[in-house]
Parts: sequence; structure tokens; C-alpha cells
Amino acid sequence: SAVISQKPSRDICQRGTSLTIQCQVDSQVTMMFWYRQQPGQSLTLIATANQGSEATYESGFVIDKFPISRPNLTFSTLTVSNMSPEDSSIYLCSVSRTGDYGYTFGSGTRLTVV
Amino acid sequence: AQSVTQLGSHVSVSEGALVLLRCNYSSSVPPYLFWYVQYPNQGLQLLLKYTSAATLVKGINGFEAEFKKSETSFHLTKPSAHMSDAAEYFCAVSGGAGGTSYGKLTFGQGTILTVHP
Repeated sequence: SAVISQKPSRDICQRGTSLTIQCQVDSQVTMMFWYRQQPGQSLTLIATANQGSEATYESGFVIDKFPISRPNLTFSTLTVSNMSPEDSSIYLCSVSRTGDYGYTFGSGTRLTVV
Repeated sequence: AQSVTQLGSHVSVSEGALVLLRCNYSSSVPPYLFWYVQYPNQGLQLLLKYTSAATLVKGINGFEAEFKKSETSFHLTKPSAHMSDAAEYFCAVSGGAGGTSYGKLTFGQGTILTVHP
């Protein structure tokens, strides 16, 4: 399966600022996704990162708050903009290759907003 | 639309006992089903997956799950619990290949497994 490097692993940020999270994969993948795991909660899909085009967002998530880039088949970024304490969560990148129906997750970015 | 219900937010077993974690799903299309494990302060690790082949799926670390369409269930089992199995387990569903929900995982609320010596 793919190996994912997600950075930073954790950060403490001031409210009103933005943080960009990077997801680097060791091989080309067809699908990349971003999830959020709020404290004590399950995972919720934020968006599908589309290579070379705008991301596809799930209900409740908007591009202005969570801009996503995917310039190639091995890299994506998620930005959490204008942060508030409610954005404190673990953000995880997930990938899948064509024909591999399992989804590999990165180790996550633990974000605390103060 | 798809959803997952995990019965029991906490399950406690003795070391060597049977582990049974329950998962029921709802899906408007033939589902792909997954079990993931999350250890404290770590990401998710795939235990096993069902993608419309054999209904009894064997995964890593001695875990297995059986897809039962009539019961819309995908329960996770392990014959003998080990202390290292203590973690949180998530059941997830997505649509199959070619569908609009393919790749989009919907997770259950998770079950925390505690293993007592």
C-alpha cells in the first residue's frame, strides 16, 4: 500500500490565522481525500482533492474555509483558514490507487486553536 | 446515501476471549465495507475490506469479518483477544467502483476495545 507523509504532525495556532497541511505520497495515486476527526468523534469527509481542478466538497464544508490544492498525483495540501477553537481537530489525508479498493490514511495532523 | 451504525461505543473483554465488534450499514448501492483500527495518537490502519468478493474476509492480526447482506451487517471478530488489540475500531462504508460514492468513506462512531489481563 501507499506510504503517506503528512506534515505537520501537530500544531498549536492562534485564532484568526491559517494553517496549511501537506500530504505527500510515495507513489502516484488516483484518489486523495481529506477527513476531519473532531475530539472524541468519528471521521468526516471534508473533500475529494482532484488533480488539476477544484476540489469537490462535502455538505457543510466550503472552499473559502478549507482550500485544497492537488498539483500532481502524489501531493495535496489542505488549508484551514481563519481558524477558531472549533477547528481544533485531527485532519487526515487518505489515498487510493486504481484497482486497490482499500484507502490508506496518513498519521494525521493534530491541530489545536487557542 | 449511506450510513454506518456501530453497536456499543465501548467493549471490554478478557485476554484470550472472543472479540466481537458489531457494525450495521445502510447503502443505496452495493457497498464496499471496511474496518480500521486507530491506536492512541496515530492514524488509521486498515484491518480488512469487503469489495464484493468472498463474504468472509480475513484481515491482519487475526481479525475477520463476514458480510451478511440479509442482515446488512459486517461484524468484526477475533477468536482470542490480545492486550495489543486495545484500540478504537471504526467500521466504514463506501459505494462500489464506478459509483458516485466510490472512495467516499462514511464512518461509524467507533468502538473502543479494552482488553483486561
